[in-house]
Amino acid sequence: DTAVSQTPKYLVTQMGNDKSIKCEQNLGHDTMYWYKQDSKKFLKIMFSYNNKELIINETVPNRFSPKSPDKAHLNLHINSLELGDSAVYFCASSNGGVSYNEQFFGPGTRLTVL
Amino acid sequence: QKEVEQNSGPLSVPEGAIASLNCTYSDRGSQSFFWYRQYSGKSPELIMFIYSNGDKEDGRFTAQLNKASQYVSLLIRDSQPSDSATYLCAVHLRATNKLIFGTGTLLAVQP
Repeated sequence: DTAVSQTPKYLVTQMGNDKSIKCEQNLGHDTMYWYKQDSKKFLKIMFSYNNKELIINETVPNRFSPKSPDKAHLNLHINSLELGDSAVYFCASSNGGVSYNEQFFGPGTRLTVL
Repeated sequence: QKEVEQNSGPLSVPEGAIASLNCTYSDRGSQSFFWYRQYSGKSPELIMFIYSNGDKEDGRFTAQLNKASQYVSLLIRDSQPSDSATYLCAVHLRATNKLIFGTGTLLAVQP
């Protein structure tokens, strides 16, 4: 069984469109994250939720809005997509906060904005 | 100064040799340190974590931490071609309670 799953795996869209990425974890973890990995492999935290509560909100454009309907799900909605949004987006989860706990990553969603 | 710095490589080592991957960090208050491996087109997976100064060994992998020098390293003994991947150093920054990743070092093990 997949521990952290994301859909879709690939997303190709035009500038200006709105798109969503979904993430689910079946590990029973209470903390979930969204990361963005750019073309240079730099992995940067965007958001983190603990038990549906937003605890990390990095300086990302307001066009990005995370939503956590329950602690097993964390979705990412992106409005008015721009070329610079092209990247791989990883969802991750952990039991407890970041300090001493392994984060398990999903397979990633490769977003290409044309 | 970047919060977590790694040499991007590529680091090329022959099969059977020891690969040494290095990472420095800026937050002196950091307490936990992680090494993730990422194969091309795949997601990062945890190899090791270390909290205390000194060495921690797990099979062919050894993590080394020197908090005074703000330095953490990963040694891979008897390197195999299957070890070829990007290795990401990640540091928990106590000030912001975030896990900050370095840009990764690409390791290439030559058969």
